[in-house]
Amino acid sequence: EDQVTQSPEALRLQEGESSSLNCSYTVSGLRGLFWYRQDPGKGPEFLFTLYSAGEEKEKERLKATLTKKESFLHITAPKPEDSATYLCAVQTQNTGNQFYFGTGTSLTVIP
Amino acid sequence: DTGVSQDPRHKITKRGQNVTFRCDPISEHNRLYWYRQTLGQGPEFLTYFQNEAQLEKSRLLSDRFSAERPKGSFSTLEIQRTEQGDSAMYLCASSLVLQVGGYTFGSGTRLTVV
Repeated sequence: EDQVTQSPEALRLQEGESSSLNCSYTVSGLRGLFWYRQDPGKGPEFLFTLYSAGEEKEKERLKATLTKKESFLHITAPKPEDSATYLCAVQTQNTGNQFYFGTGTSLTVIP
Repeated sequence: DTGVSQDPRHKITKRGQNVTFRCDPISEHNRLYWYRQTLGQGPEFLTYFQNEAQLEKSRLLSDRFSAERPKGSFSTLEIQRTEQGDSAMYLCASSLVLQVGGYTFGSGTRLTVV
């Protein structure tokens, strides 16, 4: 059975304090791994897609990386506006066109 | 293009009542998805359409739930005889068939069953 685990559940950072969020997965035939950002009361906002181990994507203060077992979302010098829940999702041979989401990491950046 | 639109944003209903939600996808997107999200959890897949055809349904989707996408444009999700366990955020998303990257989600409909 496909599994996606995100850690930590919650993370508090001081403004400027870099850190990483983890998404570990056990799936049959990964077709893609996706990172989303979700603000309270809103739908998830797409950030990145990663398809193969070794791939990296960057956008502003965020960088996503992928290995054969996990993905990291690195946040460099975060600002308070980066506070949100970050969701990881996988698309696999089992899930077809569905995305299977983790439970997310709630990030709070303190000024 | 205004993105994926969902209506209403919030719905409070009494247990046992029927409710219907609407989703308007991005106009050129031919795939449309429904997900459900409860507090502290990630979204869970319910069903998806390619044009007007409903191609996949989750085992989570009981027979009280029905979704339609007439003419391959907007979609509706109806829940009959609502239960308190149906309280959740219902999210709609859309994409192209050959899209590279993730879906585009709407802002969701928050359902509260009292």
